[in-house]
Amino acid sequence: AQSVSQHNHHVILSEAASLELGCNYSYGGTVNLFWYVQYPGQHLQLLLKYFSGDPLVKGIKGFEAEFIKSKFSFNLRKPSVQWSDTAEYFCAVGSQGNLIFGKGTKLSVKP
Amino acid sequence: NAGVTQTPKFRILKIGQSMTLQCAQDMNHNYMYWYRQDPGMGLKLIYYSVGAGITDKGEVPNGYNVSRSTTEDFPLRLELAAPSQTSVYFCASAYHWDRVNEQFFGPGTRLTVL
Repeated sequence: AQSVSQHNHHVILSEAASLELGCNYSYGGTVNLFWYVQYPGQHLQLLLKYFSGDPLVKGIKGFEAEFIKSKFSFNLRKPSVQWSDTAEYFCAVGSQGNLIFGKGTKLSVKP
Repeated sequence: NAGVTQTPKFRILKIGQSMTLQCAQDMNHNYMYWYRQDPGMGLKLIYYSVGAGITDKGEVPNGYNVSRSTTEDFPLRLELAAPSQTSVYFCASAYHWDRVNEQFFGPGTRLTVL
């Protein structure tokens, strides 16, 4: 069965620190890759997506992610986090019409 | 567009009660989904629908039922509520096949079963 692994359950950073959240997936075929963000008490919002083409994708709010096919990875990065980035981040893999979500990484940014 | 809407926002049920969680979208999306979100577990797919009149089970369908009589609406029914169904429920929708995985989420319904 397909699966998505997010390496960190909870990450705590200070403002201006750099962020990298890991995501690995198990499916070997053609996949679409997503990062969603969920701010406290809110619903999931799309941060960025990869369907094809340039493996480095840029999303909203300064986030980017790199698809490395050989490593089955799609890590999320941001050079300098802000307190407002405090949220839970979900990696998801899409295949055959459905999305498989990772368990999420909670990011806490200290002001 | 309102996007994906869900009602109610919160609900407390007693064990054995039944209820329907409502979901509607005004984007003319043909694909719709129901997920539950439990702390530390991510989102689990309960049921999905690829169009009016067509529904299928996801990863965790037991204890739930759905119907899709129109493109816009995709209600989720809990027949005999159990404490294990305490969760936050999200409805989502998506457009056509080559972008089907880009899902748009509703605001969620927080359900507690006591």
